[in-house]
Amino acid sequence: GEDVEQSLFLSVREGDSSVINCTYTDSSSTYLYWYKQEPGAGLQLLTYIFSNMDMKQDQRLTVLLNKKDKHLSLRIADTQTGDSAIYFCAERPTGTYKYIFGTGTRLKVLA
Amino acid sequence: DADVTQTPRNRITKTGKRIMLECSQTKGHDRMYWYRQDPGLGLRLIYYSFDVKDINKGEISDGYSVSRQAQAKFSLSLESAIPNQTALYFCATSGTGIVETQYFGPGTRLLVL
Repeated sequence: GEDVEQSLFLSVREGDSSVINCTYTDSSSTYLYWYKQEPGAGLQLLTYIFSNMDMKQDQRLTVLLNKKDKHLSLRIADTQTGDSAIYFCAERPTGTYKYIFGTGTRLKVLA
Repeated sequence: DADVTQTPRNRITKTGKRIMLECSQTKGHDRMYWYRQDPGLGLRLIYYSFDVKDINKGEISDGYSVSRQAQAKFSLSLESAIPNQTALYFCATSGTGIVETQYFGPGTRLLVL
């Protein structure tokens, strides 16, 4: 079945790096996404990666993709208190316009 | 102004009542979606529409119905609300670009007593 899994919680100290992990199930997924949800708000796209890429870097964000293991990770360097939010990974299987979201990881940044 | 708006933002209702949640978008997208968010379960797709005449059930459509009144408007109805429909509801749109990311509304928090 379609299931995208994430750990529910992550706590880090301000200035440290955060790594949020995601395991997806559909190997045909062409696009994989990371969204951020701040309190009281909807989801906003953070970054995405094509399935033919292993890594993508965007300022403090680094996305790593291991297609063999169907594992996606988001690394946030120099984590700040403003990074506290829920982070969702999502996949979009090839040939569909449906997005499958993970359970979300709540990141708490301690000052 | 926000690209995707939802009304109401918060609603409290009683079991058995009919409720409509509305979504409007100014992005000009054909594709619109309704999700519900529950703690620990992430987002689950209720219904989606690829154009005004194309409406499809998602993974949890039972107890819900939708109406696509125009390209810009997509409404979700709970015909007879029940307590386990208490959740945060999101509307989203997506375009037809290569990446096709989704754009989300701010959400409607619904409490069914």
